Amino acid sequence: GENVEQHPSTLSVQEGDSAVIKCTYSDSASNYFPWYKQELGKRPQLIIDIRSNVGEKKDQRIAVTLNKTAKHFSLHITETQPEDSAVYFCAATGYQKVTFGIGTKLQVIP
Amino acid sequence: GAGVSQSPSNKVTEKGKDVELRCDPISGHTALYWYRQSLGQGLEFLIYFQGNSAPDKSGLPSDRFSAERTGGSVSTLTIQRTQQEDSAVYLCASSFGDFTNIQYFGAGTRLSVL
Repeated sequence: GENVEQHPSTLSVQEGDSAVIKCTYSDSASNYFPWYKQELGKRPQLIIDIRSNVGEKKDQRIAVTLNKTAKHFSLHITETQPEDSAVYFCAATGYQKVTFGIGTKLQVIP
Repeated sequence: GAGVSQSPSNKVTEKGKDVELRCDPISGHTALYWYRQSLGQGLEFLIYFQGNSAPDKSGLPSDRFSAERTGGSVSTLTIQRTQQEDSAVYLCASSFGDFTNIQYFGAGTRLSVL
């Protein structure tokens, strides 16, 4: 089955700095890679996603890159703000199955 | 309703009792998913429904867990003879189409087994 590894598990950055979270997956058949943000006590919400036919996608301060050959994808947040503090989950999706990473707790220090 | 609705929001039960958790997906969404999130852990996929098709049960942790979806809409997750290790937040999500579409999550049911 699919195995998704996510790191780091915790990340602290100063406000205004960039944050990078990395995930690797094992199943080359996985073709959809969403990222979810979960604030404390709230439900996960999609922030960005990428499909296997694209190498990079950007939405304002958030970007995701995908390297299919190496089977890894990364989330990049620039100009971090205190409201970016949350747990971020990556996921790898294939046929009728989705596997989530363990999550990264991001703390943005004002 | 605009979003995925789950009930109850909190459930406290005694070890050995059965519990039922309910999920109302977004109207028109054909796919429905159940996940379990233990304290400080990631999301563990449990089961997936697509329309009226038979669900993929491979993610269910034991035969004490079962789920059904009536009329392609509302779903219930049933845990029989609950154990303390079943304590977690159970999240439901729905989407158009299949896994390769955006999933919208409910607020979850926090289950505590005493």
